[in-house]
Amino acid sequence: EAQVTQNPRYLITVTGKKLTVTCSQNMNHEYMSWYRQDPGLGLRQIYYSMNVEVTDKGDVPEGYKVSRKEKRNFPLILESPSPNQTSLYFCASSFATGGDTQYFGPGTRLTVL
Amino acid sequence: DAKTTQPTSMDCAEGRAANLPCNHSTISGNEYVYWYRQIHSQGPQYIIHGLKNNETNEMASLIITEDRKSSTLILPHATLRDTAVYYCIVRVAGGGADGLTFGKGTHLIIQP
Repeated sequence: EAQVTQNPRYLITVTGKKLTVTCSQNMNHEYMSWYRQDPGLGLRQIYYSMNVEVTDKGDVPEGYKVSRKEKRNFPLILESPSPNQTSLYFCASSFATGGDTQYFGPGTRLTVL
Repeated sequence: DAKTTQPTSMDCAEGRAANLPCNHSTISGNEYVYWYRQIHSQGPQYIIHGLKNNETNEMASLIITEDRKSSTLILPHATLRDTAVYYCIVRVAGGGADGLTFGKGTHLIIQP
C-alpha cells in the first residue's frame, strides 16, 4: 500500500532533550516536506527536500533540522526542543518538485514540557 | 497563489450530495484549483484538482465556472466519514517548492 509513515505518533518530552521524528514513503517520491499545524495558524511548512541531499527552509525552520540521505526517508530533528514546538507535525511527499498532489503522513503529536 | 474564500461550516444529511463552494476571483490563467480534506487531526488528504474543465474521480466531482472565479466540490453521496475540514487551494501546477497554503477551509458536518 502506498503510504507515508511517521514515528512516533505521540511523544511527550522535556525541554532540551534531542529528538527525531522519522518519516518514510514507499512511493519513490522525489519531493518531501514537513509541516506543523497549530490552532488558528493552519499548516505551515518547516523544511522541504526536492531530492536526496537537497533540503531547504520553509516558512518556520527555526529550531529544526532535517536530512535526506535516502530518497524514502526524511527525518525531522529537534536538537533542543522548547515548549513552543509543541504541535502536530505532518510529513508529506509528492512525485514532482513542489508537487501539488501531496500525500500526507498520519501526524505526530509532540508535547514539550 | 490566488486567495480563496470558503464558508466556515456546512451541514449535509447522510446520503445526500454535499456541495462545497469556493470563490477564487483573482485566479490566474495558469492556476489550478485543488481540494484537500482533513479528518480530525489526521493528515490532509488530496481529493481532486482541475484547471477549467469539470473533473470527476472516485471520491468527488469538481465543477469550475466558465470564468474560473469559483468552483464547487461535490461529494455525491455523503457518509458520516466525510465529516472533515475541506480546503480549496489555488496554485500554479508544479508551483515551486513552497508548501501548500491551507486556509481555514470549510468544516463539513454530515448529519445522520
